[in-house]
Amino acid sequence: NAGVTQTPKFQVLKTGQSMTLQCAQDMNHNSMYWYRQDPGMGLRLIYYSASEGTTDKGEVPNGYNVSRLNKREFSLRLESAAPSQTSVYFCASKDVVRETQYFGPGTRLLVL
Amino acid sequence: AQSVTQLDSQVPVFEEAPVELRCNYSSSVSVYLFWYVQYPNQGLQLLLKYLSGSTLVESINGFEAEFNKSQTSFHLRKPSVHISDTAEYFCAVTPFTGFQKLVFGTGTRLLVSP
Repeated sequence: NAGVTQTPKFQVLKTGQSMTLQCAQDMNHNSMYWYRQDPGMGLRLIYYSASEGTTDKGEVPNGYNVSRLNKREFSLRLESAAPSQTSVYFCASKDVVRETQYFGPGTRLLVL
Repeated sequence: AQSVTQLDSQVPVFEEAPVELRCNYSSSVSVYLFWYVQYPNQGLQLLLKYLSGSTLVESINGFEAEFNKSQTSFHLRKPSVHISDTAEYFCAVTPFTGFQKLVFGTGTRLLVSP
């Protein structure tokens, strides 16, 4: 039982390049989330998916797209990376019975 | 909408001293409250939560938090900290109803020194 896994762990991009951050959970949760963490700003919600086949914008969606590929997987795509997207990205899934989100280890992204 | 305020960005303490990390929230509807902990270079882990019932909740490693509805606060306390408690602590809230998105505070870095 791996919980929430994220790949890659680290990535360096040049401005304008694209990439996809992968997230998978093996806890059979319906709800999944993508956050970004920046110093002094806590975690901010980028996109979320309440269930397979649905996605919705969070607080800071500009410059990102998501895909809920199936119940397990929820990917985040940067189509044209910008230096402002340098951040640590966390994926999470939610146990609605326990009202608890479980977080992955994060992806550190540097955009030059 | 909800908002969470953690006024202290950093709290330095000596080992075995008591500590309190402050959290205040604002919401027009009833909320659930959480404390998450983030150890260096790791993801967030749930430390404790208040959903209903007793307003004092405890974690397995000695932390406790008390929900105070009149003061809209959920401060985190520990009577005696260890070096291993050095981490960043995030307070978060989510509304009872609707699709429940977590709203986080900006975090408090607890630095425990010998």
